Amino acid sequence: GAGVSQTPSNKVTEKGKYVELRCDPISGHTALYWYRQSLGQGPEFLIYFQGTGAADDSGLPNDRFFAVRPEGSVSTLKIQRTERGDSAVYLCASSLTSPGPQYFGPGTRLTVT
Amino acid sequence: QKEVEQNSGPLSVPEGAIASLNCTYSDRGSQSFFWYRQYSGKSPELIMSIYSNGDKEDGRFTAQLNKASQYVSLLIRDSQPSDSATYLCAVNDSDKLIFGTGTRLQVFP
Repeated sequence: GAGVSQTPSNKVTEKGKYVELRCDPISGHTALYWYRQSLGQGPEFLIYFQGTGAADDSGLPNDRFFAVRPEGSVSTLKIQRTERGDSAVYLCASSLTSPGPQYFGPGTRLTVT
Repeated sequence: QKEVEQNSGPLSVPEGAIASLNCTYSDRGSQSFFWYRQYSGKSPELIMSIYSNGDKEDGRFTAQLNKASQYVSLLIRDSQPSDSATYLCAVNDSDKLIFGTGTRLQVFP
């Protein structure tokens, strides 16, 4: 079946702009996660949804970052007033159960100039 | 701060050899352990999960878990050049995963 999909695959934006990153999980997976990965590092947890609600947002670095999952399927990660330090690959993962194996999408490479 | 530690490598092994990748973790309460493979420029791909002490085999891959020593390893038998990638160890912290920085494996012909 179809895996996790993410759009766009690449996003270049100017410092101070607003961006939205989208994730479509594996069908039937109720758990959805956002991570970000910088070069040479492992993925770093941002936020976890169980259904429509954010069950754990402890990894969001500050209030410029926000994520939603209004219908319990597709999720959008929103970053306001982007900074150069936000440049990274943003990964989305989904899982049938939580905790359980997580399956990653291809990621969105965000570059803030 | 819960941590997962891996040697960054590179670990270089000849084709056909056994590659041994190691990982230690700090949280004694962790229950779920995963190995992901990540090719350059790609996203992590789940290759093994292990939940109880001992060995778990899947094809050429064997995961080993020792909770008393807080140690998890991945063995790759008959290594192939196509196994050259970064291998990420991940450990659950409640519902989320904590990742190590990964070990880069190079398999040379």
